[in-house]
Amino acid sequence: DAGVIQSPRHEVTEMGQEVTLRCKPISGHNSLFWYRQTMMRGLELLIYFNNNVPIDDSGMPEDRFSAKMPNASFSTLKIQPSEPRDSAVYFCASIYGQSGYGYTFGSGTRLTVV
Amino acid sequence: DAKTTQPPSMDCAEGRAANLPCNHSTISGNEYVYWYRQIHSQGPQYIIHGLKNNETNEMASLIITEDRKSSTLILPHATLRDTAVYYCIVRVGGSGYALNFGKGTSLLVTP
Repeated sequence: DAGVIQSPRHEVTEMGQEVTLRCKPISGHNSLFWYRQTMMRGLELLIYFNNNVPIDDSGMPEDRFSAKMPNASFSTLKIQPSEPRDSAVYFCASIYGQSGYGYTFGSGTRLTVV
Repeated sequence: DAKTTQPPSMDCAEGRAANLPCNHSTISGNEYVYWYRQIHSQGPQYIIHGLKNNETNEMASLIITEDRKSSTLILPHATLRDTAVYYCIVRVGGSGYALNFGKGTSLLVTP
């Protein structure tokens, strides 16, 4: 099992550009989560999907952020336009079922907006 | 979800037991206690969870007080690789809600 796969690992972009982060969950997992981590705010939930359907997107900061899960094996988080305050590490996690244990996190994408 | 309180940081000597406390005085009867840890630059990793009984696995032990208002995660023989931020999370089991991570405890294991 390759685990949760995120790409790219690092992304540096200029303010105003569109950024797309990608996540491949573990096969068979039916819930997927996007988190953002900064020194100031810690680990924050942005959005999560259950069976490819968005369940709670209340953590998405603003309309510049959007997330999709077109199928069970792929999800994207898009920021358009990007701003320097979006600089953070973005983690994707997946689990099977709706329990609180057994979350598997990816290695994260470190985003820097200059 | 019930609020949790953890000390911001702790030290432990290598080879000794690390005991990480967590207070959750407002925990409800159907809420579980989950522990995760995050080693620098990596995603959080699940450690253990429990409802009211003490639990043990290959990574750690979880001791929950009888009134369930606090718990302790025990790493029996800490190693340098156990240096990480440890998160105590209280959440209803199987509800479909995501985990909400607080500040956690930064554990430093020293030689």
